[in-house]
Amino acid sequence: GAVVSQHPSWVICKSGTSVKIECRSLDFQATTMFWYRQFPKQSLMLMATSNEGSKATYEQGVEKDKFLINHASLTLSTLTVTSAHPEDSSFYICSARDRGAEGKLFFGSGTQLSVL
Amino acid sequence: LAKTTQPISMDSYEGQEVNITCSHNNIATNDYITWYQQFPSQGPRFIIQGYKTKVTNEVASLFIPADRKSSTLSLPRVSLSDTAVYYCLVHNYGQNFVFGPGTRLSVLP
Repeated sequence: GAVVSQHPSWVICKSGTSVKIECRSLDFQATTMFWYRQFPKQSLMLMATSNEGSKATYEQGVEKDKFLINHASLTLSTLTVTSAHPEDSSFYICSARDRGAEGKLFFGSGTQLSVL
Repeated sequence: LAKTTQPISMDSYEGQEVNITCSHNNIATNDYITWYQQFPSQGPRFIIQGYKTKVTNEVASLFIPADRKSSTLSLPRVSLSDTAVYYCLVHNYGQNFVFGPGTRLSVLP
């Protein structure tokens, strides 16, 4: 199956700093990538949809200035958590849609963010 | 977006077949049905996708009745390592993938 690489796997940062998470589709081109957030024992919550070459579309309640998304190429999307605070601590997961596989969605391994 | 309903949790024993049913009464003509598996602290893993009738791969089968208002994921001879959360999603090409609460499967020895 298609591979989506997400880095870093985990990150610990101080409150007020910014953290960037990368998501790459390794063997297919992804015109659309999605970013999710997941709290313990809960389901994935869609944060935003990222389309290559255009601005991301954010779900209601997600601050676009807080969670900056860039999708500059067909294989790379980044999520930057700006001025992170402890309440931003969560598991962040990216995914990419493979147009050549009936639009199947493939996921990265996730990033555990802990803000101190 | 078609809303899905699936059992919150299920228990099974090693070696048994497990069937998880998902209801999606307002599925649209262009919608596909996809199932994912997620282990703790990992991203979801694609299991199987189908549109109608039956789909089978090396890990599971997906049964979809003619009206497509439900689907059943079948896991043959489960093992302890199949303990995970299983998500049913209904989507078409242009839509976002919205996850429901999923089914927490516990496989017991």
